[in-house]
Amino acid sequence: EDQVTQSPEALRLQEGESSSLNCSYTVSGLRGLFWYRQDPGKGPEFLFTLYSAGEEKEKERLKATLTKKESFLHITAPKPEDSATYLCAPSTGTASKLTFGTGTRLQVTL
Amino acid sequence: DAGITQSPRHKVTETGTPVTLRCHQTENHRYMYWYRQDPGHGLRLIHYSYGVKDTDKGEVSDGYSVSRSKTEDFLLTLESATSSQTSVYFCAIRPSQGRGLFETQYFGPGTRLLVL
Repeated sequence: EDQVTQSPEALRLQEGESSSLNCSYTVSGLRGLFWYRQDPGKGPEFLFTLYSAGEEKEKERLKATLTKKESFLHITAPKPEDSATYLCAPSTGTASKLTFGTGTRLQVTL
Repeated sequence: DAGITQSPRHKVTETGTPVTLRCHQTENHRYMYWYRQDPGHGLRLIHYSYGVKDTDKGEVSDGYSVSRSKTEDFLLTLESATSSQTSVYFCAIRPSQGRGLFETQYFGPGTRLLVL
């Protein structure tokens, strides 16, 4: 059975305080690892796709990395507008089915 | 904006009532998905479609049926709603070409369903 665990469940940072979010996964036949951001009351918003171990992608203050069993979302010098829930989801099968973790709820304060 | 709309956005219904949620896309993408999101469970796949009249079950399909008679519409039906189906329902689409080998799913705004 595919399993995805995200940690921590919640994280509170001060503006400018960098940190990392973890996504550990056990799946058969990984095709890609997706990161999404979700704001309250809205649908998930796509951030990154990583396809192979060692790959890294960056977008503004966010950088995602991938190993064979984990992915990390590094947040550098966060701002209050980075506050959201961050979801990771490995993709498997020809239909690209996603298995989501429960997310990390990030709050960035001034 | 991935051109996805969901209707209704909010619905309150009673146990035992049939409910249909609609997902509409404007870009003729082949793949469409229905998920539900509940506290402590994350997003879970209910059903998905890979073309008109082509559908398959996901992880939590019991109590749900789907139909896709047109490319642009994917309907999710709760034949007899139960309180355990109170949730937020998200539709997603996946472009069928371009963007490399493993395409991304783009999500709609969601439908909040309360079953009393």
